Amino acid sequence: KNQVEQSPQSLIILEGKNCTLQCNYTVSPFSNLRWYKQDTGRGPVSLTIMTFSENTKSNGRYTATLDADTKQSSLHITASQLSDSASYICVVSASGGSYIPTFGRGTSLIVHP
Amino acid sequence: DAGVTQSPTHLIKTRGQQVTLRCSPKSGHDTVSWYQQALGQGPQFIFQYYEEEERQRGNFPDRFSGHQFPNYSSELNVNALLLGDSALYLCASSLAPGAKETQYFGPGTRLLVL
Repeated sequence: KNQVEQSPQSLIILEGKNCTLQCNYTVSPFSNLRWYKQDTGRGPVSLTIMTFSENTKSNGRYTATLDADTKQSSLHITASQLSDSASYICVVSASGGSYIPTFGRGTSLIVHP
Repeated sequence: DAGVTQSPTHLIKTRGQQVTLRCSPKSGHDTVSWYQQALGQGPQFIFQYYEEEERQRGNFPDRFSGHQFPNYSSELNVNALLLGDSALYLCASSLAPGAKETQYFGPGTRLLVL
């Protein structure tokens, strides 16, 4: 069964600090992995996408890494801002005929001033 | 350029009723996917529509059905509502079907079943 596990479930940090969120998956065969940011009451917004051959991808202060051998990914947020407070969701898609993506439960990040 | 829009924003129904949710995709997008997101959970894929046909379906019962119109907008219908159907229903559109296409999500419709 395809699964995506994220940790921690929630995280509280002070403004300006860095943090790293983790994602482990068992989706096979692997096509791509995305990180989404979901603000409260809004739909998710794509931050990064990585395929099998990519091991790092940046989007401003967000840097995602992928280790396809260990089936792990991380999302590093640098110099956090209050606006980074949101849920961060890891999504893994399988290759082949089936599109169906597998979503993690998300990590809830709160940035305090 | 309007992004993905959904209506209504909120809805309250009672058990056994039927509900229809609507989605207009981002301009230029012809593929629409629907997701159910329970409180504190990640979204769960319901189905995807392309060329007015259901192309992929997640693990949801037949009470969940949909439709895509020639203008690419879509509806999600849920019959015989259960308390467990209470959730945020998200619509996402993309340029084409497939795992590599970036999906753009709407703000969602929050459904409460009493």
